[in-house]
Amino acid sequence: SQTIHQWPATLVQPVGSPLSLECTVEGTSNPNLYWYRQAAGRGLQLLFYSVGIGQISSEVPQNLSASRPQDRQFILSSKKLLLSDSGFYLCAWSRGTTDTQYFGPGTRLTVL
Amino acid sequence: GENVEQHPSTLSVQEGDSAVIKCTYSDSASNYFPWYKQELGKGPQLIIDIRSNVGEKKDQRIAVTLNKTAKHFSLHITETQPEDSAVYFCAASSPNSGYALNFGKGTSLLVTP
Repeated sequence: SQTIHQWPATLVQPVGSPLSLECTVEGTSNPNLYWYRQAAGRGLQLLFYSVGIGQISSEVPQNLSASRPQDRQFILSSKKLLLSDSGFYLCAWSRGTTDTQYFGPGTRLTVL
Repeated sequence: GENVEQHPSTLSVQEGDSAVIKCTYSDSASNYFPWYKQELGKGPQLIIDIRSNVGEKKDQRIAVTLNKTAKHFSLHITETQPEDSAVYFCAASSPNSGYALNFGKGTSLLVTP
């Protein structure tokens, strides 16, 4: 069966510091991968998605970036965090573009 | 782009009662509608989904109905239990937006014993 992992589970970072969140998927190959952000009391906002290694599409312009160095690894990064980057970051995977998306456990990011 | 509205934002029911959550969407080309349950501090879990070629789908106590003409779909939970308490999200996917999932803002369901 397939599993999706996110690391770390929680993170507290100062404003202006860099960020690296990692997502890995097991049990499948060539998945579509997604990064979402969930602000408190709000829905999920799609940030990036990837249909293959090195292929990244950005949905929302911001100071975040994503990379996919390996087939089942998706990384969310920032060079300098803003207060507004605080939130719950969720990674998801699907077999194809029209298939069900399955979410990871999330990373709670607090920027102080 | 696709806009998904979800109501109500909060819902409180007594154990054993039914709960209904409704969503509307704006893009008539949307053809996939999943529902997710999110418990506090966890990632959303898919509970049921429906595609546009079907009007209703059931899985034990959970059912989803879709009205393509009116562009709305609903989640029905029967015989609610305290463990059904969570935030529920609807979403819609359209080829016009690259099949990205557009989510509603969520419904916080509380089932009281």
